Amino acid sequence: QLQLQESGPGLVKPSETLSLTCTVSGDSMNRSPSFWWGWVRQTPGRGLEWIGGIHYGGNTYYSPSLKSRVSMSVDTSKNQFSLRLRSVTATDTAVYYCARLDNYPETMFDRWGQGTLVTVSS
Amino acid sequence: DIQMTQSPSSLSASVGDRVTITCRASQHISNYLNWYQQKPGKAPKLLIYAASTLQGGVPSRFSGSGSGTEFTLMISSLQPDDFASYYCQQSFSTSPYTFGQGTKLEI
Repeated sequence: QLQLQESGPGLVKPSETLSLTCTVSGDSMNRSPSFWWGWVRQTPGRGLEWIGGIHYGGNTYYSPSLKSRVSMSVDTSKNQFSLRLRSVTATDTAVYYCARLDNYPETMFDRWGQGTLVTVSS
Repeated sequence: DIQMTQSPSSLSASVGDRVTITCRASQHISNYLNWYQQKPGKAPKLLIYAASTLQGGVPSRFSGSGSGTEFTLMISSLQPDDFASYYCQQSFSTSPYTFGQGTKLEI
């Protein structure tokens, strides 16, 4: 059974970089070329917001609103992928989910991590 | 960005009721529409993809329909486990993928 688990600091200072890792277990990240791996965040005010995704081959695509501050990476040897969000402010406080994006037969977020709360505060 | 608007934002219902939630897209998205269920403190769970295809393991009382800009999620006979929040999400445009604001289904 595929499982995803987010890890990383729960508290980040303003202007610093938020870093999270998602560990995938129960299957290999590179089992199918249709799989992408992404990040979604959720706040009471803005709801669910897609951040971006990465393919196991290293291709990425990011939400235009966050593109200037986001980078993602993948380590298939560890079955992990990571998110970095630079220059954070209080508005980046959210629950961050990692998720699998399956592009076949259609595009959908079909597996999710449990989520991790990241608070931006000094 | 493609805006996704759900209605209602909240809904009170009883066990056994049939409920319908609507999702409207700000532009044509064909059938590139997914529905998720989320319970408090938990991650969203995929219910329906491509507007009307039930994800494996999802009870048949859930159904989805629609195409273009208007979509519906129907629960034919509410069960206690169904009281949760529901979100639509468009996968027509990756730039960016967008979600509806959610519908909270309460007793």
